[in-house]
Amino acid sequence: RKEVEQDPGPFNVPEGATVAFNCTYSNSASQSFFWYRQDCRKEPKLLMSVYSSGNEDGRFTAQLNRASQYISLLIRDSKLSDSATYLCVFRNSYTGGFKTIFGAGTRLFVKA
Amino acid sequence: DVKVTQSSRYLVKRTGEKVFLECVQDMDHENMFWYRQDPGLGLRLIYFSYDVKMKEKGDIPEGYSVSREKKERFSLILESASTNQTSMYLCASTLTGGPYEQYFGPGTRLTVT
Repeated sequence: RKEVEQDPGPFNVPEGATVAFNCTYSNSASQSFFWYRQDCRKEPKLLMSVYSSGNEDGRFTAQLNRASQYISLLIRDSKLSDSATYLCVFRNSYTGGFKTIFGAGTRLFVKA
Repeated sequence: DVKVTQSSRYLVKRTGEKVFLECVQDMDHENMFWYRQDPGLGLRLIYFSYDVKMKEKGDIPEGYSVSREKKERFSLILESASTNQTSMYLCASTLTGGPYEQYFGPGTRLTVT
């Protein structure tokens, strides 16, 4: 099983739509969870961390389901500027260090 | 404002050449990373460093080496470039004690012909 699995999309949605992405992980010891955003030909940037109780930042809601080992990102009222690739990221600690795992990304296109 | 810079945005090299990719961060971060990003494969870790003169292999270190002589600078070296090393190379840095956000440089698109 892959360490992280993420639907590559693309997701094509109209402006104003609600869209959700999931990302599953295989390492039950994963401790920190994040969503990054990557615009075309740009570097990834942190969108938001994902907390156990779920968290919201404006139109974006992130959730963690430890039992089923996945995280989700919900975008409400999509804007054209939300078009990007969204990467799920996990940080696993182990004796002597840590490891950060990146998903391959889900592409989102928001159309007028 | 935090900043990670990379020496080149675009680079074209010939097979067999030695290639140096430089990365500099101004955030006093202990940890620095080199990734390559290929379509459908996501970011794959090549090497990372926890401290000056320290280096650890990532998931795909073959064909690469690194150097970290100063805290702010992490270099990636392709000893003998090959066509399968054509890729986007991204450098990142982060603090040891958190927060664990990785700050990325703008990337270097390397083409080996």
